[in-house]
Amino acid sequence: DQQVKQNSPSLSVQEGRISILNCDYTNSMFDYFLWYKKYPAEGPTFLISISSIKDKNEDGRFTVFLNKSAKHLSLHIVPSQPGDSAVYFCAASGGGSNYKLTFGKGTLLTVNP
Amino acid sequence: SQTIHQWPATLVQPVGSPLSLECTVEGTSNPNLYWYRQAAGRGLQLLFYSVGIGQISSEVPQNLSASRPQDRQFILSSKKLLLSDSGFYLCAWSSRGGIPPGGEQFFGPGTRLTVL
Repeated sequence: DQQVKQNSPSLSVQEGRISILNCDYTNSMFDYFLWYKKYPAEGPTFLISISSIKDKNEDGRFTVFLNKSAKHLSLHIVPSQPGDSAVYFCAASGGGSNYKLTFGKGTLLTVNP
Repeated sequence: SQTIHQWPATLVQPVGSPLSLECTVEGTSNPNLYWYRQAAGRGLQLLFYSVGIGQISSEVPQNLSASRPQDRQFILSSKKLLLSDSGFYLCAWSSRGGIPPGGEQFFGPGTRLTVL
């Protein structure tokens, strides 16, 4: 049972436009959500996170929106740059002492010059 | 600052051979440690996690095992590799205190394992 779903395996966007990556979850116990960016043959790097007590968090060109009633979050990248081309993973945590993260399968973003 | 090391970076092993991948963390104490695998075209699958020396939790039954002989050392092993063990193996750590409380994890550079 996949508790974190990224239904779009890939997304292609023109440079300068907005990229919107979506993520859905099923476990209502999740209370913290993170986005990671991964280049080929490298480990993922943390991008941005949001607590369930918020509905929006912004960091430069990256904004994450959380809709708890819909169990949906999205990552907006504005403006998109070719260097943003990577696989983006959505992850969720239910808290607790061991802080396990449940990851989605990722979305490959390609930003075309 | 904290750093996480993994080695080797790439590994090609025959079916049936043993495996040992090592991960070490510097600059922090009492971290939570994790092993993930990313198979081709798949997401990140959590294999093992550890909240302390000698404490290992397994997430999925498989051909692999993990050990934590020291506070900042995490080892992934197998006695006999299978073809299905091929993939990209990632070690990660997070702060025990959970800052941020959701447990942001920091990943190593990964090991590409090919079993032939």
